[in-house]
Amino acid sequence: SQTIHQWPATLVQPVGSPLSLECTVEGTSNPNLYWYRQAAGRGLQLLFYSVGIGQISSEVPQNLSASRPQDRQFILSSKKLLLSDSGFYLCAWSELGDSPYEQYFGPGTRLTVT
Amino acid sequence: ILNVEQSPQSLHVQEGDSTNFTCSFPSSNFYALHWYRWETAKSPEALFVMTLNGDEKKKGRISATLNTKEGYSYLYIKGSQPEDSATYLCALYNFNKFYFGSGTKLNVKP
Repeated sequence: SQTIHQWPATLVQPVGSPLSLECTVEGTSNPNLYWYRQAAGRGLQLLFYSVGIGQISSEVPQNLSASRPQDRQFILSSKKLLLSDSGFYLCAWSELGDSPYEQYFGPGTRLTVT
Repeated sequence: ILNVEQSPQSLHVQEGDSTNFTCSFPSSNFYALHWYRWETAKSPEALFVMTLNGDEKKKGRISATLNTKEGYSYLYIKGSQPEDSATYLCALYNFNKFYFGSGTKLNVKP
């Protein structure tokens, strides 16, 4: 069966510090991978998605970047965090199957920038 | 960016009440519509994926319908229970991307 891991679960970082959130998927090959953010009181915003190793697409310009160094590894980074980067970050994966691109989410990371 | 809207933003019902929410989306460039249930302190969980106009899906007391021509989907919960309390998200899938609405937060009082 497939599982998705995301860490850390919570993070408190000062403004201007770097960020690295990691997501890994087990039990599937060549998944589509996604990073989302939920800011306070808002819905899920797609930040990045990847259809393969080294292939990253960004939907919204921001202070963040993403990388996919391995097939089932997706990393969200920032060189210098802003207060506005605070939020709940979710990683997700999907694949083409009977239910078109049904997504499976990780447990999430609560990021607070102080 | 595709604009997906959900209403109402929040809903408070009594146990046993039936309820429904709306998801509206641009009717052009449609591929699939997803509904998710997101409980506090958990990850969003897929409820339904619908692709065809007129699709109706059902899982227990929860069902959903899809109208791609007019750009909306309804989610129904029959006989709400306290364990149904969660945020219900809809998402439009198009060209490898998901566009989420802001969700409807349902609170079912015992």
